[in-house]
Amino acid sequence: EVQLVESGGGLVQPGGSLSLSCAASGFAFSTFSMIWVRQAPGKGLEWISYISTRSSPIYYAGSVKGRFSISRDDAKNSLYLQMNSLRDEDTAVYYCARVGQRLDVDYWGQGTLVTVSS
Amino acid sequence: DIQMTQSPSTLSASVGDRVTITCRASQSISTWLAWYQQKPGKAPNLLIYKASSLESGVPSRFSGSGSGTEFTLTISSLQPDDFATYYCQQYNSYYSFGQGTKLEIK
Repeated sequence: EVQLVESGGGLVQPGGSLSLSCAASGFAFSTFSMIWVRQAPGKGLEWISYISTRSSPIYYAGSVKGRFSISRDDAKNSLYLQMNSLRDEDTAVYYCARVGQRLDVDYWGQGTLVTVSS
Repeated sequence: DIQMTQSPSTLSASVGDRVTITCRASQSISTWLAWYQQKPGKAPNLLIYKASSLESGVPSRFSGSGSGTEFTLTISSLQPDDFATYYCQQYNSYYSFGQGTKLEIK
């Protein structure tokens, strides 16, 4: 069974940093591209980053480019999101998700809440 | 960037109704479109991929159609479990989502 489990969310002050992790199981992690998607409270879904197999290429949405960094460790079956210079508007539930072999996003984690507030 | 626009934003319907949600892309995305259902506090769940292909395990009352810039999601006969928020997503160039359609009980 495919499972994606995010962790690392919490409360952080504006300007601060936070690192999210996503533990993958039930599939050959190294052979799949992965993405991060976020959802602000009561709002819609926003794609924020993509990482291909072997960590190249990598893409970011304009709203996080230069502040967030995506990475993966295939030996640990894990995906990461390093978030720096956090702003109030980064408050959201962050989901990791798998890009399937058909290229659609087929599996999602349960999400982890990041709250940016002083 | 490709913008996705869904309509309506909110839809009130009754059990047994046939409903249609529309999604328009700001430029052609061929059939690189997916539909998701999301319930409160839960992750999105894939319903349709490649515009019209039904994901395994999804009831056949859900169907998708369209290509280029205009797409539809149809639920043929609403069931109580279908009241949720629905999102379209393009994956032709990076990823982007529609703003969502909340399907409410009339």
